[in-house]
Amino acid sequence: GAVVSQHPSRVICKSGTSVKIECRSLDFQATTMFWYRQFPKQSLMLMATSNEGSKATYEQGVEKDKFLINHASLTLSTLTVTSAHPEDSSFYICSARVSSGLQETQYFGPGTRLLVL
Amino acid sequence: GENVEQHPSTLSVQEGDSAVIKCTYSDSASNYFPWYKQELGKRPQLIIDIRSNVGEKKDQRIAVTLNKTAKHFSLHITETQPEDSAVYFCAASNTGQNFVFGPGTRLSVLP
Repeated sequence: GAVVSQHPSRVICKSGTSVKIECRSLDFQATTMFWYRQFPKQSLMLMATSNEGSKATYEQGVEKDKFLINHASLTLSTLTVTSAHPEDSSFYICSARVSSGLQETQYFGPGTRLLVL
Repeated sequence: GENVEQHPSTLSVQEGDSAVIKCTYSDSASNYFPWYKQELGKRPQLIIDIRSNVGEKKDQRIAVTLNKTAKHFSLHITETQPEDSAVYFCAASNTGQNFVFGPGTRLSVLP
């Protein structure tokens, strides 16, 4: 399958600081990437859809000014958690949409575990 | 919008037995149903998928069945092994639309 990388894998930061997470498609171009948040023992919660060259589409309840998404190239999307607080601590996972004709699927990055102190 | 339910939430089986996880979806327009396996602290890995133009797909010990009329699909794992222990997520989507994931099933294979 397609390879998606994510960096960093783990980050610990102080409350009030901003954290940037990168998601890269390594062997393909991804016009669409997705950002998910996952709490322990829970499912994947879609935060936003990141489209190359345009603004991200945020899910209801997700603050776009707090979770800044930039998809400046066909292989890179970034999520910046601004002014992070302890309640933002979570596992953040990106995925990339892979299309082949009418068929498409998603491949996930390895995730970033964020701990805000 | 689409709503996906998944049962059971936890499942324990003896090694060598079969495991079945069931999902239902609400949007009849959904046409793609992937299954992901997520080990603790790792990324979800696509293990098998099925599209609405087929009723069953098999890959070694893993199979998926789809009933479009009833709007449900199931994951079947035969001859389970300890390394099958993980959380399994089903999802449903329509072409070009976001995936909607089920809440997950925690499978434990007991040696």
